[in-house]
Amino acid sequence: SQQGEEDPQALSIQEGENATMNCSYKTSINNLQWYRQNSGRGLVHLILIRSNEREKHSGRLRVTLDTSKKSSSLLITASRAADTASYFCATDASGTASKLTFGTGTRLQVTL
Amino acid sequence: GAGVSQSPSNKVTEKGKDVELRCDPISGHTALYWYRQRLGQGLEFLIYFQGNSAPDKSGLPSDRFSAERTGESVSTLTIQRTQQEDSAVYLCASRGGFSYNEQFFGPGTRLTVL
Repeated sequence: SQQGEEDPQALSIQEGENATMNCSYKTSINNLQWYRQNSGRGLVHLILIRSNEREKHSGRLRVTLDTSKKSSSLLITASRAADTASYFCATDASGTASKLTFGTGTRLQVTL
Repeated sequence: GAGVSQSPSNKVTEKGKDVELRCDPISGHTALYWYRQRLGQGLEFLIYFQGNSAPDKSGLPSDRFSAERTGESVSTLTIQRTQQEDSAVYLCASRGGFSYNEQFFGPGTRLTVL
């Protein structure tokens, strides 16, 4: 079963706007990662946040983690058409990075 | 090559036939994963190899599915007696080196079972 559930399932915004995606999970984790998938093919790693971190930034990406609520959010600021993709959260509960459990994904559409 | 490669990129087969999918991980990566992604869905974990340890096969959906990996090199995922519900994109990922927690994905193999 999926560990993470993202919402919304789909999001459509205009270029320049911010996009926020949320992820909820069920069990304790060691870290949480966000991946992007273009055109239903290979995923690309975006950012990792550890369980003892609350916020992390990378370029236009901002990730927050609330372990008490078992939730994370991914914010993409000043979105571009090239950000159009599906975004997945993935949790690592093992502590050994041995296995990630992926959520169901959010499909982001950025229009001009 | 610099990244994970998979072959074939697309495979169309008839119900009941066997198929073999190949994954070439990034050189030196000790961990290798197979996932299945049905249309519009998330990734389902299938199997995980780590070095010479026994693989974690806990995600394989039935005994028609099997995978092998020789050392830290190529892996093959075999599906016997394919069924229509096996139609999906099969993704391979490898992990290792300095970016220890990050998985690097291949482009996937799109399998269509008619």
